[in-house]
Order: sequence, then structure tokens, then C-alpha cells
Amino acid sequence: KAGVTQTPRYLIKTRGQQVTLSCSPISGHRSVSWYQQTPGQGLQFLFEYFSETQRNKGNFPGRFSGRQFSNSRSEMNVSTLELGDSALYLCASSSNPTTGEAETQYFGPGTRLLVL
Amino acid sequence: AQSVTQLGSHVSVSEGALVLLRCNYSSSVPPYLFWYVQYPNQGLQLLLKYTSAATLVKGINGFEAEFKKSETSFHLTKPSAHMSDAAEYFCAVSVQSDMRFGAGTRLTVKP
Repeated sequence: KAGVTQTPRYLIKTRGQQVTLSCSPISGHRSVSWYQQTPGQGLQFLFEYFSETQRNKGNFPGRFSGRQFSNSRSEMNVSTLELGDSALYLCASSSNPTTGEAETQYFGPGTRLLVL
Repeated sequence: AQSVTQLGSHVSVSEGALVLLRCNYSSSVPPYLFWYVQYPNQGLQLLLKYTSAATLVKGINGFEAEFKKSETSFHLTKPSAHMSDAAEYFCAVSVQSDMRFGAGTRLTVKP
């Protein structure tokens, strides 16, 4: 079974631009979560999508948005990029959507975004 | 909301020595707990998870962790460190699909 894939793996943008990152979950997984990882803040939860609906959202400004398609693939978008948005963006998928049951998250390799 | 504290941002051990990485959690409901490992320039790989079935959880690469409710801890151990264990380790707590990570512990293994 193929793992979680993320594209692109590396990206360089300038301040003010926008960026779209893509994540393809493991086949059969319906939940996709996004995380931002920086040396200063560590791993921070951005949002989680399940069946094309945002189910949870972290504490990030509205410039960060996402969506999920009917095939469970997900995209996240960051508008008006700031220098502080430079980070590794990780996507994770999980199979078990049932509330109260453990949802093991499987992570992709990440997209490293550099904002200049 | 649930949270995780990892004690010690850096841990250094000699090859063959015991590895002990500490994790304490806070949760208002019975939590699900995880340990992940991250190698440089890679995503996170699941080492093991606690789902209330057994308090001692065995994972991959010889790692194990023990859930202690009275101490709200979920420390990760390995009897004998290998050079290949050098990486960053993250403890995480999940409640209803909301996963929170600790700050991470960087493990260094000396020859």
C-alpha cells in the first residue's frame, strides 16, 4: 500500500504570494490532517478534514485554509505569505473516523516551504 | 484541551545504554497516546500507540512505553541504544481526532 504523498517536496516563494500544497492520503483513509513544523514552535495542528468537511481547526489565521476532495485528497492554501510561514508542512492520514477510537495518523514526508 | 510535556529537549546516551525519553500528558478524558520518530528531512513515523488495551505497549525497533495513569506518564524506553536510533522523538496525545504533540526530544547516541 502506498504511503501518504505530498507535493511539492520543496517550494520557495516570496512574501505576499500565495501557495497551494497537496496531500494524497493512504488509499481508503478518509481523514487528512495538516501540521506546521518550525524549530521555534514545534509541531502545530492546522486543521483536519474528513469526508470533505473540516472537522477540527487549530489556532492559525484565516490566511491558512484547506479543502478535501471526494477522493480524500487534500490541499492547503496559504495566502499573503509572510516570512514566518517558512516551515515544514506535514500531512497525515488516518483510517478510523469513529469518535472515541484511536486514530493512528500516518505522515507524509512533508513540503518544505521557504518564504523570502 | 489535552496537552503533552516532554521532559528534556536533548538526551544523549552511549551505544548499548538504556534509552529513556519522558512524556507526561494532560487530558480530561481517557487519552490515546503515541510516540513518533522523525529522522532528518523526513516525516513522522509511528513507533507505538496506547489505546487502553494494555498498559505496556511494544513498538517497532525494540522500543516500548508504559502507560501510568497515576503518574499521567507515557515514557519511552529501549534497553540498548543503537546508532541508528539517533533522531527526534515526539510524544502525542489524541482526543477525538485532535492530536497534540510535545516539543520533541532529540536523541543523540555516542559510539
